[in-house]
Amino acid sequence: EDQVTQSPEALRLQEGESSSLNCSYTVSGLRGLFWYRQDPGKGPEFLFTLYSAGEEKEKERLKATLTKKESFLHITAPKPEDSATYLCAAQGSNYQLIWGAGTKLIIKP
Amino acid sequence: SQTIHQWPATLVQPVGSPLSLECTVEGTSNPNLYWYRQAAGRGLQLLFYSVGIGQISSEVPQNLSASRPQDRQFILSSKKLLLSDSGFYLCAWSPRTSGNEQFFGPGTRLTVL
Repeated sequence: EDQVTQSPEALRLQEGESSSLNCSYTVSGLRGLFWYRQDPGKGPEFLFTLYSAGEEKEKERLKATLTKKESFLHITAPKPEDSATYLCAAQGSNYQLIWGAGTKLIIKP
Repeated sequence: SQTIHQWPATLVQPVGSPLSLECTVEGTSNPNLYWYRQAAGRGLQLLFYSVGIGQISSEVPQNLSASRPQDRQFILSSKKLLLSDSGFYLCAWSPRTSGNEQFFGPGTRLTVL
């Protein structure tokens, strides 16, 4: 069964304290791995797509990486405005997205 | 640029009442359209998707239905709401011909009492 698991469920960091969020997936015929940011009460905002193991993408303080079993979202020197829930989703051979439950990130000033 | 609208933003409805949520997309043609429901602390659950006018695929059996009367309009409906229909409803679109990313609207918070 296709599955996506994100860890940890919640992460509290001090401003400037770098860390990583994990997204483990078991999906047949991975077509893409997606990262989104979601603020409370709003729709998810697209961040990155990764297509193959070894691929990396960066945007400001965020960098996403992909292996054959998991993806990481690395956050370097985060600021309070990076606080949000980060969602990952994997697209399999049937083109549907399988979503993780998200990691709630809190950055304290 | 593309924009996706949803309304209403919030809705409180009694059990047994009907429902109509609307989603429209601007700035693109022939998009794929999606309805999701998001429960607190859980991943997004795909309810319906559409690849064209009048073409609806249902992913989860329930008392909800969807329609696509126009290319860039997607409607989620129910004849009689249940308590379990409460949640955060999200509409999304993706380009038909390039990329697999989905882009989300602002969402509708539905509370059924």
